[in-house]
Amino acid sequence: GAGVSQSPSNKVTEKGKDVELRCDPISGHTALYWYRQSLGQGLEFLIYFQGNSAPDKSGLPSDRFSAERTGGSVSTLTIQRTQQEDSAVYLCASSLLAGDLYEQYFGPGTRLTVT
Amino acid sequence: KQEVTQIPAALSVPEGENLVLNCSFTDSAIYNLQWFRQDPGKGLTSLLLIQSSQREQTSGRLNASLDKSSGRSTLYIAASQPGDSATYLCAVLYSGGGADGLTFGKGTHLIIQP
Repeated sequence: GAGVSQSPSNKVTEKGKDVELRCDPISGHTALYWYRQSLGQGLEFLIYFQGNSAPDKSGLPSDRFSAERTGGSVSTLTIQRTQQEDSAVYLCASSLLAGDLYEQYFGPGTRLTVT
Repeated sequence: KQEVTQIPAALSVPEGENLVLNCSFTDSAIYNLQWFRQDPGKGLTSLLLIQSSQREQTSGRLNASLDKSSGRSTLYIAASQPGDSATYLCAVLYSGGGADGLTFGKGTHLIIQP
């Protein structure tokens, strides 16, 4: 079946603009995760959803970052007033449920470049 | 705070050799540990998941072990092939409260020479 899909695959934006990144999880997966991969920081966890709710938003780097998930499926990660340090690959993952039994499956990522 | 370390950072071996990649984590309060591979410019591919109650998992030429008490995991690759060349990432799902995502190591960049 189809894996996790993300769009766009690449995004170049000017500093100060807002961007929206989209993640479409594997059908039937209730848990969805956002991560960021940058050269200096490696892979870091941002936020996760169980259904439509995000229990803990403390992993988001700043209040310019927000995420939502509607209908228990597609999620969007929005970055307002982008800064150059936001340049990274943003990865989305999903799992059947949250918890120790379930593997996370990753999408191909969105490469964001802020100029 | 949970920290994950992978050694070595890079490894280059001739085709056919068996090899071991190491992962250590600072806090043994984990739900599970997952090994991934990442090819250049691509997302992550899950290789193996070991639950905290398990000691090892096997898939084909790959075997991963977990010693939770000592905070260590190894990924053993048998009879390496050039197609195994990739970056291998270890990640733990921490059970000690706080964030609910995986904590990753920085990876081992593996090159298998034909």
